[in-house]
Amino acid sequence: QKEVEQNSGPLSVPEGAIASLNCTYSDRGSQSFFWYRQYSGKSPELIMFIYSNGDKEDGRFTAQLNKASQYVSLLIRDSQPSDSATYLCAVTDDSGYALNFGKGTSLLVTP
Amino acid sequence: SAVISQKPSRDICQRGTSLTIQCQVDSQVTMMFWYRQQPGQSLTLIATANQGSEATYESGFVIDKFPISRPNLTFSTLTVSNMSPEDSSIYLCSVKAGGSDTQYFGPGTRLTVL
Repeated sequence: QKEVEQNSGPLSVPEGAIASLNCTYSDRGSQSFFWYRQYSGKSPELIMFIYSNGDKEDGRFTAQLNKASQYVSLLIRDSQPSDSATYLCAVTDDSGYALNFGKGTSLLVTP
Repeated sequence: SAVISQKPSRDICQRGTSLTIQCQVDSQVTMMFWYRQQPGQSLTLIATANQGSEATYESGFVIDKFPISRPNLTFSTLTVSNMSPEDSSIYLCSVKAGGSDTQYFGPGTRLTVL
């Protein structure tokens, strides 16, 4: 069974701080890694994707991938209350396209 | 990214009945998928909807319970058959376009089975 693990949280950070969200995965063959944001009652919204080891930055978001250690993380700089949501880590399976999701980390940014 | 719509957005159904959910995309896409999100849980892939052929189901999901159609490159349906309260979930379609691995999700269908 391919596993994608996330700390369920809630992770609480003050407004303006850096939120760090972590994810580990079990399938060494996974090639593509995604972070989705899901507000309560809404569908997942893609935030970042990363394919190669290292960092990838997009605005306030940075995705980090370490395939040797089988972890991927998401950093949110200058966190805003509007960032409060559940963040889902997703990893492609050995088909190369179907996604395995973690259970998500609930983030709460307090004013 | 593609614009994806789903119908219905929500429904309340009686056990033993069936519901068909539609997923429409505003452009042709290479792959379409159906996921389920049970209350308080993450997303689980039900199947890949293949255009012109039978869907590919994940372990634990069968065609008799979740028949899927995909008549063209912009449309798919998922039927939840002989429903029980355990089928109460959000059902989401997603699409993968072109050569990218990225998947985008529709707004979901919230199903409650009484």
